[in-house]
Amino acid sequence: IAGITQAPTSQILAAGRRMTLRCTQDMRHNAMYWYRQDLGLGLRLIHYSNTAGTTGKGEVPDGYSVSRANTDDFPLTLASAVPSQTSVYFCASSDSTGGGTDTQYFGPGTRLTVL
Amino acid sequence: GQNIDQPTEMTATEGAIVQINCTYQTSGFNGLFWYQQHAGEAPTFLSYNVLDGLEEKGRFSSFLSRSKGYSYLLLKELQMKDSASYLCAALDSNYQLIWGAGTKLIIKP
Repeated sequence: IAGITQAPTSQILAAGRRMTLRCTQDMRHNAMYWYRQDLGLGLRLIHYSNTAGTTGKGEVPDGYSVSRANTDDFPLTLASAVPSQTSVYFCASSDSTGGGTDTQYFGPGTRLTVL
Repeated sequence: GQNIDQPTEMTATEGAIVQINCTYQTSGFNGLFWYQQHAGEAPTFLSYNVLDGLEEKGRFSSFLSRSKGYSYLLLKELQMKDSASYLCAALDSNYQLIWGAGTKLIIKP
């Protein structure tokens, strides 16, 4: 593995189903982030984690949860998917504790469609 | 509120120069990022400015004026592969990135 990987690449999901998007990085970055990207809108932060064991809410956290059990993994869970959660989801990481200005590096994204 | 403004779309000719502008309003400011995003791909880092002035990196340069809340990305000697969206993002007082919607740059031969 080099960088950040996300799985699955794409998914079609029935409304009401539970779904976990996976994100793994091998750069030993302390900070990780989940964004959604919708047409005509900027990237919007869902949740973030400044270090393993801690998480925080971003701009649009409702309907999503995260965990950060270790440095490398940062899964995003949709407890009960709704059509408005149809989007492209990007995971990112940076070598920052939240007080730095280090660059965020992005995974390839997961395209999620909720019907 | 916090806001990033950049043009939705621009068109330029191969070999020419294009300037993509970005204005920002944030609660505090800790720097300005530019990312490139090709269609269907992830954003990739281009530049970071925290001090006023111009930062040059090959064919790409980025400028920042903190007093005006303004930045631009300058692309020289345009190539077809530069066709992409360019995302402007400002780092606020909580060190969270506030993103613009992106500028889609179309390069014509």
